[in-house]
Amino acid sequence: GAVVSQHPSWVICKSGTSVKIECRSLDFQATTMFWYRQFPKQSLMLMATSNEGSKATYEQGVEKDKFLINHASLTLSTLTVTSAHPEDSSFYICSAREGTNDYEQYFGPGTRLTVT
Amino acid sequence: GQNIDQPTEMTATEGAIVQINCTYQTSGFNGLFWYQQHAGEAPTFLSYNVLDGLEEKGRFSSFLSRSKGYSYLLLKELQMKDSASYLCAVRKDYKLSFGAGTTVTVRA
Repeated sequence: GAVVSQHPSWVICKSGTSVKIECRSLDFQATTMFWYRQFPKQSLMLMATSNEGSKATYEQGVEKDKFLINHASLTLSTLTVTSAHPEDSSFYICSAREGTNDYEQYFGPGTRLTVT
Repeated sequence: GQNIDQPTEMTATEGAIVQINCTYQTSGFNGLFWYQQHAGEAPTFLSYNVLDGLEEKGRFSSFLSRSKGYSYLLLKELQMKDSASYLCAVRKDYKLSFGAGTTVTVRA
């Protein structure tokens, strides 16, 4: 149980284009989903937290107009990197929390984004 | 702010024991996680400590001292498949703050 999927696994796009990454909880309803970014040999950095049906809460320094998050249902959240640039190339990982009292987060397999 | 420190790399031989330390200075603390992450993959849960003391789970054990802001992950009977990055993460409410991870290399 508690499986989280991400799509795509990897994506290469040209500078200036937008990329959408999907995060799905396959066998549970996720009250909260989290989006992280991880640069090589660095820690996971929380970008934003989203609750179903409400606006995402972004961490300090993360541009909300550049990283659009939509949590349309209890099993799906999307992250859209708009007008991507090479410095946005990174490993993007989502995680999901099942209940409001559940402290554990279940991580997706990640999406490798390369912007050329 | 959150400051979580772990060693960058450790090397050990198969069958040995390795201890990965994590020190933290954070604004708020509700618990500490240890995750294993293989390159290019998502972190997988290893352990969670809320109270002081040792939690043992098979070959892996985790220790926490809240007063010292210190935790360690102990890996026993190392196997080649244990070669990975090990992440320490501090929980505050529902958010996690991660250390940079410790890359463990197991040699035959």
